[in-house]
Parts: sequence; structure tokens; C-alpha cells
Amino acid sequence: AQSVSQHNHHVILSEAASLELGCNYSYGGTVNLFWYVQYPGQHLQLLLKYFSGDPLVKGIKGFEAEFIKSKFSFNLRKPSVQWSDTAEYLCAVNAGTGGFKTIFGAGTRLFVKA
Amino acid sequence: DAMVIQNPRYQVTQFGKPVTLSCSQTLNHNVMYWYQQKSSQAPKLLFHYYDKDFNNEADTPDNFQSRRPNTSFCFLDIRSPGLGDAAMYLCATSRDNTGEETQYFGPGTRLLVL
Repeated sequence: AQSVSQHNHHVILSEAASLELGCNYSYGGTVNLFWYVQYPGQHLQLLLKYFSGDPLVKGIKGFEAEFIKSKFSFNLRKPSVQWSDTAEYLCAVNAGTGGFKTIFGAGTRLFVKA
Repeated sequence: DAMVIQNPRYQVTQFGKPVTLSCSQTLNHNVMYWYQQKSSQAPKLLFHYYDKDFNNEADTPDNFQSRRPNTSFCFLDIRSPGLGDAAMYLCATSRDNTGEETQYFGPGTRLLVL
């Protein structure tokens, strides 16, 4: 069965620090990959996604993610975090076979100290 | 703004007392999903509708049912809630089922079972 693993449940950073959140998945075929974000008091929303083309994907608010097929990874990065990036980040994978099911990771809670 | 709305935001019920959670969307999306998310865990897909076609996940307990009377509304019925059903219930929509589609989430309903 497919699974998605997010390595860190909680991350605490100071403003201007660089961020990298890990995401690994278990499916070996074609995949569509997503990062969703939930800011405090808000609903889950899309941060960025990859389904083909350039494996380095740019998202909103300066976030990017790199798909490395050989490592089954889709890590999220931001060079310099801001206090407003405090949120929960969820990685998600869809097998890309036209099926409905998207598998989510358990999420990483990021807290950025001002 | 087009959106996904869930009511109520918080629901308290008694052990064994049926409860219904509501979701509505103004996006006119074909697909509607229900997820269960327990504390520190990944959202778990319970079932989804593509238009009027219902798709149940194999491991979703029979205690959970769903109705979609029209494109805009979808309901989650828990026939006899147990203590283990206390969770956040997320409704989401997507335009289609290609696997590349972004899912749009509601704010969730937090269910407490006494």
C-alpha cells in the first residue's frame, strides 16, 4: 500500500533561517505530488504541486519543492522563513493512474520565532 | 468567494447517538471527499463521490455513511458514534479525478463523543 512519510513532526526555526521539510513516499510508479499548508485558524490549502516536467517546482510565498524520483522524495524548501510561515505542512501523493485516492502524510508543524 | 463550507464547526454528541455533518461547495466541482483526521495523524479518506457515484474506501466502517443529494451538498452520517470516532472531519472537493487535481478543503468539523 502507498504511504507518505514526513520525517519531522515539529520544527522550530528563527526568522530568516532556511527551511527544508522532508517527504518520502512508497509508490514506485507515476506519481502526482502535493504540499498543502494550514495556517492557524484557516483551512488546508495548496502550496504547490508536481505532476510532470521540471522536478523543481515553485509555489506561493517563496516555497519550492524538488521531486527526486530515485529517492522517492519531494522535499519542501524555503531559503528564509518568516514568522507568517508558522503553519502545518502536509505532503500528499496521488498514484497518478486516474484514481481518486490521495495519500497524506501526518504533517509537520512549523513554528517560526520572531 | 467560491469555497467549501462545513457545518457545524464543532459537534458534541453522545455515545451511540446518530450525528450528521454537512458540507457544501460553491465551486461546482464534480468530486467531493470526506476525510477523518485524528490528532497528529494524516487525514484518512473515508469515501468520495464523483458526481452521484459513491466510492467507499475498503476500510471505512459501516457506521459511516454519506449522501450527496445534489452537486453542492454532501453529508456524513455517523450512525452510532463511538469514542474512537472523535476526530476532525474534513470535506474537500476537486474539479475532476485525474489525480493531478488540487483539492479544496473546508475548515473541518471537530467531533467530540461523550
